[in-house]
Amino acid sequence: DAKTTQPPSMDCAEGRAANLPCNHSTISGNEYVYWYRQIHSQGPQYIIHGLKNNETNEMASLIITEDRKSSTLILPHATLRDTAVYYCIVRTSNTGNQFYFGTGTSLTVIP
Amino acid sequence: EAGVAQSPRYKIIEKRQSVAFWCNPISGHATLYWYQQILGQGPKLLIQFQNNGVVDDSQLPKDRFSAERLKGVDSTLKIQPAKLEDSAVYLCASTVAMQAYNEQFFGPGTRLTVL
Repeated sequence: DAKTTQPPSMDCAEGRAANLPCNHSTISGNEYVYWYRQIHSQGPQYIIHGLKNNETNEMASLIITEDRKSSTLILPHATLRDTAVYYCIVRTSNTGNQFYFGTGTSLTVIP
Repeated sequence: EAGVAQSPRYKIIEKRQSVAFWCNPISGHATLYWYQQILGQGPKLLIQFQNNGVVDDSQLPKDRFSAERLKGVDSTLKIQPAKLEDSAVYLCASTVAMQAYNEQFFGPGTRLTVL
């Protein structure tokens, strides 16, 4: 049901850009790509979402390929506080426009 | 803006006991969700409300789990009787409306341990 594929874990050096990939090859034309992260013992935190165009906010950038079958979340200057599990979610257009979380990518930022 | 509030933050019970969790969504948010997150897994949707009506409860184990949102604001999730496999974090989330472009905001969760 998750409809997304992410690597289980990644490392990133502090201060460098963290690029987190996500495959969503079965995405439909009206389904949004969302990214959340979950720091240990906290609820998931919204990061960014997009439909077709690339998006940027104060936290991150979202790059969606032209065919929309994959996307990349970019944290431009990773800090130790960015260590978390990152979830890429395709928001299904069925009843209720629900989120289906997979197991995400565990990002470790290394000093 | 106040976030989604949940209580209690932690609960330890013995199997076959009952337990209830409370959620207060962000003011004005019509849609409320309850998720179950087992250790090492992503959150799994249990039930979704739109105001005080149920939109989807297909993943809710109705023989032991129940949820209500009587006045379309606060919500409670109950487990009766609890089993060992119910040990998990129970997350509440809300969104202003159900449209796909509206992000969900999550509370801190209630960590349930069933002994």
